Amino acid sequence: EDQVTQSPEALRLQEGESSSLNCSYTVSGLRGLFWYRQDPGKGPEFLFTLYSAGEEKEKERLKATLTKKESFLHITAPKPEDSATYLCASLNSGYSTLTFGKGTMLLVSP
Amino acid sequence: DAGVTQSPTHLIKTRGQHVTLRCSPISGHKSVSWYQQVLGQGPQFIFQYYEKEERGRGNFPDRFSARQFPNYSSELNVNALLLGDSALYLCASLGQSGSNTIYFGEGSWLTVV
Repeated sequence: EDQVTQSPEALRLQEGESSSLNCSYTVSGLRGLFWYRQDPGKGPEFLFTLYSAGEEKEKERLKATLTKKESFLHITAPKPEDSATYLCASLNSGYSTLTFGKGTMLLVSP
Repeated sequence: DAGVTQSPTHLIKTRGQHVTLRCSPISGHKSVSWYQQVLGQGPQFIFQYYEKEERGRGNFPDRFSARQFPNYSSELNVNALLLGDSALYLCASLGQSGSNTIYFGEGSWLTVV
């Protein structure tokens, strides 16, 4: 059974203080590793899909990377508007269903 | 283009009642999945439909059922509601079986009292 574990559960940063969120996964044949941003009371907003170890993708202050066992979401010089819960999910080796971690709640203070 | 649309956005039901949640996928997308997200947890897979056929079912009781219509919209039905069914119900849309870009709607907040 696919398992996805995210750490830390919560992270508080000062504006401009760069950091990384971790997503470790145990899956039987990774078809894709997804990152989403979720604001309170809203649905997850798609950020990235990574497919193979060594792959990197960037969007504004966010960069996602993938190894054979982990993915990292690097946040460079965050701003208060980056505050949200970041979810990581693996794409099921069978049908196109996602197994999610519990998320990392990020709070960026001005 | 419209994204994934879900209705209703919020609803309150009493234990034992039945609820129907609705989802319209992105235009041209033929597959819909349903997820349940309880507070403080990541979304958990309930059902997947592709071309009106059930393609996957998560670990949920038979009180949960779903269907997909010819226009690819979908309904999630939950019978005999329990307090523990209170959650955000999310619908996800993907372009074709195997497509690796999966978009979510804003969800339907269900409170069972």
